[in-house]
Amino acid sequence: SQQGEEDPQALSIQEGENATMNCSYKTSINNLQWYRQNSGRGLVHLILIRSNEREKHSGRLRVTLDTSKKSSSLLITASRAADTASYFCATGGGTSYGKLTFGQGTILTVHP
Amino acid sequence: DTAVSQTPKYLVTQMGNDKSIKCEQNLGHDTMYWYKQDSKKFLKIMFSYNNKELIINETVPNRFSPKSPDKAHLNLHINSLELGDSAVYFCASSQASTGATRGYTFGSGTRLTVV
Repeated sequence: SQQGEEDPQALSIQEGENATMNCSYKTSINNLQWYRQNSGRGLVHLILIRSNEREKHSGRLRVTLDTSKKSSSLLITASRAADTASYFCATGGGTSYGKLTFGQGTILTVHP
Repeated sequence: DTAVSQTPKYLVTQMGNDKSIKCEQNLGHDTMYWYKQDSKKFLKIMFSYNNKELIINETVPNRFSPKSPDKAHLNLHINSLELGDSAVYFCASSQASTGATRGYTFGSGTRLTVV
């Protein structure tokens, strides 16, 4: 069964605006990861947040995690047209050969 | 220099045929995976191998058979292809000890179309 569910399913913004995507999950996790997928390409790992962390930053990305609500958010600040892609949250991974369970993704379109 | 490479990138075949997809990683990772992405972009794990040993085998028809000749390669063979097998198949790899901190590295995918 699907673990993560992203919200919204699609998001359309103008360049320079911030984009916020949310992810909810159902079971206990070791970590939560965010990936980007450009059209016709593979997934690229963006950022990982552990279950004992509440917030993490990487460049223009900010991820929060609320384990009590079983939810995470990804904020992309000062968006660019090149940020246009699908964004997926994934849970699991764990310590050893753990599988990643993905949500259905948010399609982000950034208009120049 | 490609970290995780899959071949072929596109595969169009008729129902009933048998086909293989190959995957190779040059990252020195010890764990490799096959994921299937359907038309709604939903990604689901199929198999996972750690050091050539099958670790994860999700509920997948036994027409799908993975093979890992060494820890740098994980191939996927599909027998008697069906229309419903049409999807994008992704190979991925990770290092078991750091998978929790560095994420997984994905290949660019193989788009399989069964006609």
